[in-house]
Amino acid sequence: AQRVTQPEKLLSVFKGAPVELKCNYSYSGSPELFWYVQYSRQRLQLLLRHISRESIKGFTADLNKGETSFHLKKPFAQEEDSAMYYCALPSGTYKYIFGTGTRLKVLA
Amino acid sequence: DGGITQSPKYLFRKEGQNVTLSCEQNLNHDAMYWYRQDPGQGLRLIYYSQIVNDFQKGDIAEGYSVSREKKESFPLTVTSAQKNPTAFYLCASSGYPMNTEAFFGQGTRLTVV
Repeated sequence: AQRVTQPEKLLSVFKGAPVELKCNYSYSGSPELFWYVQYSRQRLQLLLRHISRESIKGFTADLNKGETSFHLKKPFAQEEDSAMYYCALPSGTYKYIFGTGTRLKVLA
Repeated sequence: DGGITQSPKYLFRKEGQNVTLSCEQNLNHDAMYWYRQDPGQGLRLIYYSQIVNDFQKGDIAEGYSVSREKKESFPLTVTSAQKNPTAFYLCASSGYPMNTEAFFGQGTRLTVV
């Protein structure tokens, strides 16, 4: 079955510390993976997608097919990074599968 | 101003009543989705629609119904058969091909009183 797993419900780090939000997937074929972010009182929005290989707000994510992972990383966390993060996998025809989300808290 | 609009933002329902949540988009997207967001459970897919007059059940469709009479609109009805309707509901849309970005509305918080 196609699945996205985010093992951590809550991740707390201090400002300036590195961040890694974990995402593992189960998918037959070549997956297209995304990270979405939901800041407080804002709508859920795209943070980055693996095919673009870009860095957004200092975040990067590399698709590791061997480990079936798509972890989100940032070398130095900032307080404004505090938010809910979802890993997502488009599956089949017009169907997005989301993970359960990880709440990131960056402490001053 | 392009995007997805959900209304109302807050909705209160008495037990036994049906309520309809509105979702409108002006992005000319073919696909539209309804998700339910509960703490610790992430986003769970209720229904999705690829084109007008067609829709498919998601993972938790029981107690919900939808229609897609217009490309721009995808209303969700929460029926009295839904045993635990109190939740935050998100509508989204995406274009073609399927692996493009999904755009989300601001959400509707439904509370059963």
